[in-house]
Amino acid sequence: QVQLQESGPGLVKPSQTLSLTCTVSGGSISSGSYYWTWIRQPAGKGLEWLGRIFIGGSTNYNPSLESRATISEDRSKNQFSLKLSSVTAADTAVYYCARGDFFYGQFDYWGQGTLVTVSS
Amino acid sequence: EIVLTQSPGTLSLSPGERATLSCRASQSVSSSYLAWYQQKRGQAPRLLMYGASKRATGIPDRFSGSGSGTDFTLTINRLEPEDFAVYYCQQYGGSPPLTFGGGTKVEIK
Repeated sequence: QVQLQESGPGLVKPSQTLSLTCTVSGGSISSGSYYWTWIRQPAGKGLEWLGRIFIGGSTNYNPSLESRATISEDRSKNQFSLKLSSVTAADTAVYYCARGDFFYGQFDYWGQGTLVTVSS
Repeated sequence: EIVLTQSPGTLSLSPGERATLSCRASQSVSSSYLAWYQQKRGQAPRLLMYGASKRATGIPDRFSGSGSGTDFTLTINRLEPEDFAVYYCQQYGGSPPLTFGGGTKVEIK
């Protein structure tokens, strides 16, 4: 059974960089059949896709993030990470990592989510 | 960017009734690339359907999906108490960004 677990600071100051890591167990992030993605959800609101990384390191991001996001992988640790720079209160949300199917695009396994609050 | 509009925003039904949820896309989406998720309060979303009509592993057959082009539907037959939740559609049109609908809340009447 594939499991994903987000980790990182729960509080980030405005203008700083938010950094989160997703640790994958029960499966390898090196599998070519999947990609690895970050999604967030502000309190009481809907889901926003942030970006994804494919095996080999190629990435795509949501243009709404205006080039503030960087997703990277560490195959030796079976982890992938999100960095979001120049954060504001609008970046306060529950952040989820998830596995995406390469062929159909659905997200079949999700982490439990981690709340990140941007506040001074 | 493909915008997904879900309706209604809230659906008030009783256990045992049928729920019909709509997801409309701003441009055509291949039915292969349309998914549905269920989210309960305080939990991560759970995949229900993918490829518009394929049930994910472990999803009961009272859930069904249909549609093509710009109009997709999730149907829940004979609502069970555990089905009252928020439901999201999601498209993977090939080019990012991947997008979600705004959600439909199915609440107990």
